[in-house]
Amino acid sequence: DTEVTQTPKHLVMGMTNKKSLKCEQHMGHRAMYWYKQKAKKPPELMFVYSYEKLSINESVPSRFSPECPNSSLLNLHLHALQPEDSALYLCASSQAGEGDEQYFGPGTRLTVT
Amino acid sequence: LAKTTQPISMDSYEGQEVNITCSHNNIATNDYITWYQQFPSQGPRFIIQGYKTKVTNEVASLFIPADRKSSTLSLPRVSLSDTAVYYCLVGDIGYKLIFGSGTRLLVRP
Repeated sequence: DTEVTQTPKHLVMGMTNKKSLKCEQHMGHRAMYWYKQKAKKPPELMFVYSYEKLSINESVPSRFSPECPNSSLLNLHLHALQPEDSALYLCASSQAGEGDEQYFGPGTRLTVT
Repeated sequence: LAKTTQPISMDSYEGQEVNITCSHNNIATNDYITWYQQFPSQGPRFIIQGYKTKVTNEVASLFIPADRKSSTLSLPRVSLSDTAVYYCLVGDIGYKLIFGSGTRLLVRP
């Protein structure tokens, strides 16, 4: 199984809502990532978890809160988002992180109204 | 992390070989060169990675000259399904992938 799954595929939320994005992989990878991608722009790294510990936070606003409950799961909790946060949110994983190929999920298309 | 420069877009026809060049003048000694492919509304997919000279796999070849200030991704005999955005990334072995603006390849029948 070389798949990274993400749910939901689409999400529409208001600025006062709280929602969560979920990512799962069963490849035994020990590094997991969240990226944000705006239309016609490259993906931008948000967070990196290595062995279930947060190792990189690219100065992301606190309204985005990542969580790694175990080595297969990665969540992104969303609260009080702004319309400019509307984007495709991509999850990825890699073996141990150090230079390894990253496997990306299909993403969650988020719209903030 | 070294900055990369790629053509914004390229056009080709089915069956042709496509070469996409990436400039990375400030590449550091420890940096590797990696290429990813992305289709609309999908996550990027790893294509190939190299450090110097030539690397080949089942889908592409990567040519890196001795000075390593540029690299060329070569896609043999492209098909319509190769229409995508291709990203060149340069960095040392580590967790961070910094994507450049990418090259939009359009393959025509």
